[in-house]
Amino acid sequence: DIVMTQTPLSSPVTLGQPASISCRSSQSLVHRDGNTYLSWLQQRPGQPPRLLIYKISNRFSGVPDRFSGSGAGTDFTLKISRVEAEDVGVYYCMQLTQFPYTFGQGTRLEIK
Amino acid sequence: EVQLLESGGGLVQPGGSLRLSCTASGFTLSAYAMNWVRQAPGKGLEWVSVIDENGSAVYADSVRGRFSISRDNSKSTVYLQMNSLRADDTAVYYCAREGTPGTADYWGQGNLVTVSS
Repeated sequence: DIVMTQTPLSSPVTLGQPASISCRSSQSLVHRDGNTYLSWLQQRPGQPPRLLIYKISNRFSGVPDRFSGSGAGTDFTLKISRVEAEDVGVYYCMQLTQFPYTFGQGTRLEIK
Repeated sequence: EVQLLESGGGLVQPGGSLRLSCTASGFTLSAYAMNWVRQAPGKGLEWVSVIDENGSAVYADSVRGRFSISRDNSKSTVYLQMNSLRADDTAVYYCAREGTPGTADYWGQGNLVTVSS
């Protein structure tokens, strides 16, 4: 199975400041079709997960442009350019390149 | 508007069975693969199973042989039959659409399954 490792596990951030979350996979996420199926999900308190970013860097419909994704191969990053109060929650990376699909442990974003 | 609604959860004794349903609206279910993902209380996300447009299924090792995923496109519904339930199956179960291949784009609100005597 592909192991997804996120850092940090907790991130206290000041409103208006940037935040960054890293995700590393135990093997390359490049699919045989050439795509890299790495997504970022947000889970606000008491809510289901919500897709933010897919295929490394593509923002899903309705996602603010302060969210961006980057990376390649085994190393990926989610960045929030200016954190807002509504961004509080847990963020997960998820790989859909190989079965079983796997998730990172989650990174809790909180406001200082 | 794409919507997914899970139902069928509840309290069940160890060794018992339960069938979850995920009813889709706002899109044509037959055109998409569908996933089940679960989240134990206070824990992270764990992928459980997927069924593709043709009815082919894949399972996590933790549920293979006990859980079975199926779909009825005429009812816009995906099912998760769960047998031989154990305490560690206790979780909120989410269904998620696989939109663009390799992307879990829409998620349901979740349904709680509690396995306890």
